[in-house]
Amino acid sequence: GNSVTQMEGPVTLSEEAFLTINCTYTATGYPSLFWYVQYPGEGLQLLLKATKADDKGSNKGFEATYRKETTSFHLEKGSVQVSDSAVYFCALSDVNQGAQKLVFGQGTRLTINP
Amino acid sequence: DSGVTQTPKHLITATGQRVTLRCSPRSGDLSVYWYQQSLDQGLQFLIQYYNGEERAKGNILERFSAQQFPDLHSELNLSSLELGDSALYFCASSVGQGRNSPLHFGNGTRLTVT
Repeated sequence: GNSVTQMEGPVTLSEEAFLTINCTYTATGYPSLFWYVQYPGEGLQLLLKATKADDKGSNKGFEATYRKETTSFHLEKGSVQVSDSAVYFCALSDVNQGAQKLVFGQGTRLTINP
Repeated sequence: DSGVTQTPKHLITATGQRVTLRCSPRSGDLSVYWYQQSLDQGLQFLIQYYNGEERAKGNILERFSAQQFPDLHSELNLSSLELGDSALYFCASSVGQGRNSPLHFGNGTRLTVT
């Protein structure tokens, strides 16, 4: 079945450091890909998405490019802030007979120190 | 604020009991999804409804059931509760069902079974 694998956390960085969180997927067909972020005590929020190969999703300084050849969707940010501390989830959209479900990776906890 | 409302925020109950979790989707969203988040299993898709009809089922136990009402709110019923059912239960909604319909998550109900 479809699956998503994320780099294991936790990840700890200093403010203004460069961030990469790796995400690879296994899927049949052409899923859409998403990054969600979960701040403490809150639900998941959509961070960015890409719907086809070579699409780049971007939001709040974060970027991820849909790479079909490497089945990857790595999340990057050039200069992280303390407020970026959260858990990040990579996900793919699994559509079967018209019904969608999101398949999530295990999540990567990110801590940014001042 | 995602616009998805979940009640209650916290629930503490004993083994063998039954509870009902409630979800009101964003205005205009027809699809409702239920997810379970636990430390060992991560985010697991349980079930999806679209405009009152069940559309997709995931790893939902037979002790669990859900429904979506004509006003589009949804309830997740958990019965014969076990210690292992302790988790965060998230509801999400989307406008449609397709791969390009991002999910919007509520803040979750934290269930503790003692």
